[in-house]
Amino acid sequence: DAGVIQSPRHEVTEMGQEVTLRCKPISGHDYLFWYRQTMMRGLELLIYFNNNVPIDDSGMPEDRFSAKMPNASFSTLKIQPSEPRDSAVYFCASSRGTNTEAFFGQGTRLTVV
Amino acid sequence: QKEVEQNSGPLSVPEGAIASLNCTYSDRGSQSFFWYRQYSGKSPELIMFIYSNGDKEDGRFTAQLNKASQYVSLLIRDSQPSDSATYLCAVRGAQKLVFGQGTRLTINP
Repeated sequence: DAGVIQSPRHEVTEMGQEVTLRCKPISGHDYLFWYRQTMMRGLELLIYFNNNVPIDDSGMPEDRFSAKMPNASFSTLKIQPSEPRDSAVYFCASSRGTNTEAFFGQGTRLTVV
Repeated sequence: QKEVEQNSGPLSVPEGAIASLNCTYSDRGSQSFFWYRQYSGKSPELIMFIYSNGDKEDGRFTAQLNKASQYVSLLIRDSQPSDSATYLCAVRGAQKLVFGQGTRLTINP
């Protein structure tokens, strides 16, 4: 299996622009997690899905952030409008079943200038 | 109170010594516990998981779990320079997977 695939690997955008991050989970995995990592706050859980349904989005910082999972093999995290404080590494991870480990993608390094 | 707490370090250990990393969690309903290692600029990778109270050993690594005290630890024996990384404790209450801040570990040759 190719593992969790994220795109793009790096994104530089101007403040106010829309940013879309993409994730393809491991085939057969029914949980998908979106995390944000910064030096100050560590690895924060933003939202997670089970069988394509959002279960908990309490970690989404503001209404500027939204996430979708239209099917079992694709998810997006959108920020609109983006702000410099959104600069971070965004990770997608997937797992099979409950109480199991999650496997991470390579991450997207977002820089908002 | 954070859901998962770790000492952010940095923790410095001489080569060949035992490195001890600790983690506490707040949700008593948590069911599974994980240790991930993250090298600089890379994504987290799983090194150990533990579900039951007690110790679990895998090579140079030992995970310890005490549910009554809500405490998880990771011991690394015979520490090597290649063990220098950030170690993330993660706790799962069936569905949600939450991480601690991570402890930065440096092994000194």
